[in-house]
Amino acid sequence: GAVVSQHPSWVICKSGTSVKIECRSLDFQATTMFWYRQFPKQSLMLMATSNEGSKATYEQGVEKDKFLINHASLTLSTLTVTSAHPEDSSFYICSAWPGGDTQYFGPGTRLTVL
Amino acid sequence: EDQVTQSPEALRLQEGESSSLNCSYTVSGLRGLFWYRQDPGKGPEFLFTLYSAGEEKEKERLKATLTKKESFLHITAPKPEDSATYLCAVQAGAAGNKLTFGGGTRVLVKP
Repeated sequence: GAVVSQHPSWVICKSGTSVKIECRSLDFQATTMFWYRQFPKQSLMLMATSNEGSKATYEQGVEKDKFLINHASLTLSTLTVTSAHPEDSSFYICSAWPGGDTQYFGPGTRLTVL
Repeated sequence: EDQVTQSPEALRLQEGESSSLNCSYTVSGLRGLFWYRQDPGKGPEFLFTLYSAGEEKEKERLKATLTKKESFLHITAPKPEDSATYLCAVQAGAAGNKLTFGGGTRVLVKP
């Protein structure tokens, strides 16, 4: 149980284009999902908290107009990186919270911007 | 501001050589301390949640303990498949369900 999927697992795009990443909880409903980014050999940094049916809450320093988050249902949240640039290249990981204390993480999406 | 510090940054072990990883934390109102395992190119995999000082939890060769200032992850007689990065995270009372992660400890177990 508690499986979270992400799609795509990796994506390469040209600078200036937008990329959408999906995060799905497969066997539970998640009122809250979280989006993290992770640079090589570094830990996870929380970008935003996504609540179903409401606007996302962004961490300090994260541009909300650049990283658009939509939590359309209790099993799906999407992160769109708009006008991506090489410095946005990173490993993006989502987690889903089914209630209780534990978050369950997706397998991550590797984004490379050329 | 909640802070989590893990040490060492990296650890090389021979198969069967037991060791401990440290996670020290400074938070306002700890609600839970979490240990995750992360393999390269993958998302974190949940291991343990600890809630109060004195609590211990075990899973196979791993044992997690918690005091008021730090947590330890003991790896007993590790095998090469225990090689991974181990992440510690805290959930504080004022932060809702957000997790604050430490920098992780990269463990390499050589056969």
